Amino acid sequence: KAGVTQTPRYLIKTRGQQVTLSCSPISGHRSVSWYQQTPGQGLQFLFEYFSETQRNKGNFPGRFSGRQFSNSRSEMNVSTLELGDSALYLCASSLAGAVTEAFFGQGTRLTVV
Amino acid sequence: KNEVEQSPQNLTAQEGEFITINCSYSVGISALHWLQQHPGGGIVSLFMLSSGKKKHGRLIATINIQEKHSSLHITASHPRDSAVYICAVPSNTGTASKLTFGTGTRLQVTL
Repeated sequence: KAGVTQTPRYLIKTRGQQVTLSCSPISGHRSVSWYQQTPGQGLQFLFEYFSETQRNKGNFPGRFSGRQFSNSRSEMNVSTLELGDSALYLCASSLAGAVTEAFFGQGTRLTVV
Repeated sequence: KNEVEQSPQNLTAQEGEFITINCSYSVGISALHWLQQHPGGGIVSLFMLSSGKKKHGRLIATINIQEKHSSLHITASHPRDSAVYICAVPSNTGTASKLTFGTGTRLQVTL
């Protein structure tokens, strides 16, 4: 059974640009959650999608957005990048959300210069 | 106050030692996750438990729902166990679709 796949693994962008990250969940999983990890703030919840609907959103500005497709693959987009957006972005897939076992991808390490 | 607190923050052990990492949470939960993160960044789910005890190889996780406390034990520790261990709990509102994480315990096992 294939695991959670995140692409790309590494990304360098310039301030003001936008970026799109992709997450392919485990087959059959309908929930995809996104998290940001920084040395200062640790792991923080961005949003969760379930069956193409955003079910929950963390405390992040509107520059952070996401979507989920009918095959459960999810993308997150960050517009007008700031230096502080440099982080490891992780997605987790599960059958039904945080009360079921979560499987994480390897993450996308975004560096904003 | 964080909803999830872990101790210790850092832990150094010699190979073969028995290790305990603690996690306390302040809200009622239906399940608790223990995760492992290696320096490369990827996170591996070790356990999800809602009561009692679970064991997988040299790893044991316990939870006491009444005391809002969980522990992760590693028996006969090995250098390959060196990683950051994180506990996480689902939110207790709405659809419980998000995890709140502890700050992690950085474990270094030396020969």
